[in-house]
Amino acid sequence: NAGVMQNPRHLVRRRGQEARLRCSPMKGHSHVYWYRQLPEEGLKFMVYLQKENIIDESGMPKERFSAEFPKEGPSILRIQQVVRGDSAAYFCASSPQRPNTGELFFGEGSRLTVL
Amino acid sequence: KQEVTQIPAALSVPEGENLVLNCSFTDSAIYNLQWFRQDPGKGLTSLLLIQSSQREQTSGRLNASLDKSSGRSTLYIAASQPGDSATYLCAVSYTGTASKLTFGTGTRLQVTL
Repeated sequence: NAGVMQNPRHLVRRRGQEARLRCSPMKGHSHVYWYRQLPEEGLKFMVYLQKENIIDESGMPKERFSAEFPKEGPSILRIQQVVRGDSAAYFCASSPQRPNTGELFFGEGSRLTVL
Repeated sequence: KQEVTQIPAALSVPEGENLVLNCSFTDSAIYNLQWFRQDPGKGLTSLLLIQSSQREQTSGRLNASLDKSSGRSTLYIAASQPGDSATYLCAVSYTGTASKLTFGTGTRLQVTL
């Protein structure tokens, strides 16, 4: 059973470009979460999605950031007009249902570098 | 404000030593608490999950305890090995926001030969 798959693992963008990060949850999981880890900081919650629905986006920056989890295909975290402060590791996690155990399974992350 | 604090930030021990990592949280209305391991440049590996109704969980050489009343959890690692070297993260989910984890900043552990 494959784990949470994220790609690309590493992404370099220049200021003003767009970054798209993809996440395929574990098989059978329908809930996806995105977290961001800034250099020398802890992981911060960004957004929680189910298929075709955003459940909680309280951690998303108000501008330039968006997330989706379509009926078919991976979840995508999109960052428009990237700035240097967006450089971070972006982690995706999945869970099988509205948590009864609450255990999340994390991918290996996508590391974004903005030049 | 719900905060999670981990002490110490870094720890170096010789191989074979038993050690304890500490995690404290400000809001005791937790849903569960998870301990993760993160290797440099890698993702998070879940080590132990403790539900709010539980006092401890064990897996191999690892034992995690939870004391909700004092807002504390400890991760005990027995007979440490160089392969245990990693950053250990504590994360709490709160009742009502069980889908959202609040992470500590981690303890960077180095086990030396």
